[in-house]
Amino acid sequence: EDQVTQSPEALRLQEGESSSLNCSYTVSGLRGLFWYRQDPGKGPEFLFTLYSAGEEKEKERLKATLTKKESFLHITAPKPEDSATYLCAVQALGNTGFQKLVFGTGTRLLVSP
Amino acid sequence: GAVVSQHPSRVICKSGTSVKIECRSLDFQATTMFWYRQFPKKSLMLMATSNEGSKATYEQGVEKDKFLINHASLTLSTLTVTSAHPEDSSFYICSARTSGSGGIYNEQFFGPGTRLTVL
Repeated sequence: EDQVTQSPEALRLQEGESSSLNCSYTVSGLRGLFWYRQDPGKGPEFLFTLYSAGEEKEKERLKATLTKKESFLHITAPKPEDSATYLCAVQALGNTGFQKLVFGTGTRLLVSP
Repeated sequence: GAVVSQHPSRVICKSGTSVKIECRSLDFQATTMFWYRQFPKKSLMLMATSNEGSKATYEQGVEKDKFLINHASLTLSTLTVTSAHPEDSSFYICSARTSGSGGIYNEQFFGPGTRLTVL
């Protein structure tokens, strides 16, 4: 069964304190790993898609990396506005025959000034 | 680009009534749209996948007669919660997949969500 596990469940950082969020996955035939940011009461906001091991993508203070078993979202010198829940998802072939995203439970990040 | 809208953003209804939620891809065509449900502090659970012009495919455990999905055009999908009950109260989020080249390697964008409260 396709599974996505994110850790830690919650993370509290001081402004400027860099850290990494982990997403480990088991999927039969990875067709993409996605990172999203979700603010309370809002829909997920697309951040990155990674397709193959060794791939890296960057956007402002965020950098996503991918191995064969996990992905990391590195946050460099975070600011309070980076506070949100970060969701990881893998695109898998569902049992209905359609590709679907399987989500992890997310990491709630709080950055204090 | 790649904006998905939902309407309404919030709805409160009485038990037994039906509620329709619209999902639109504003600046791209989406042959495939998805409907998710999210409980507080939980992750997104896929309810169904809809392809334009065909019947929706529901995930196991989702009642197709209760959650009616219509994907009438490449930019619009609707979810109707029929005979709503308090246990249907939740945050419903739609998503649309871009239809660019590359086959399976298409990206998925989410709407802002609809908060449904059934009294």
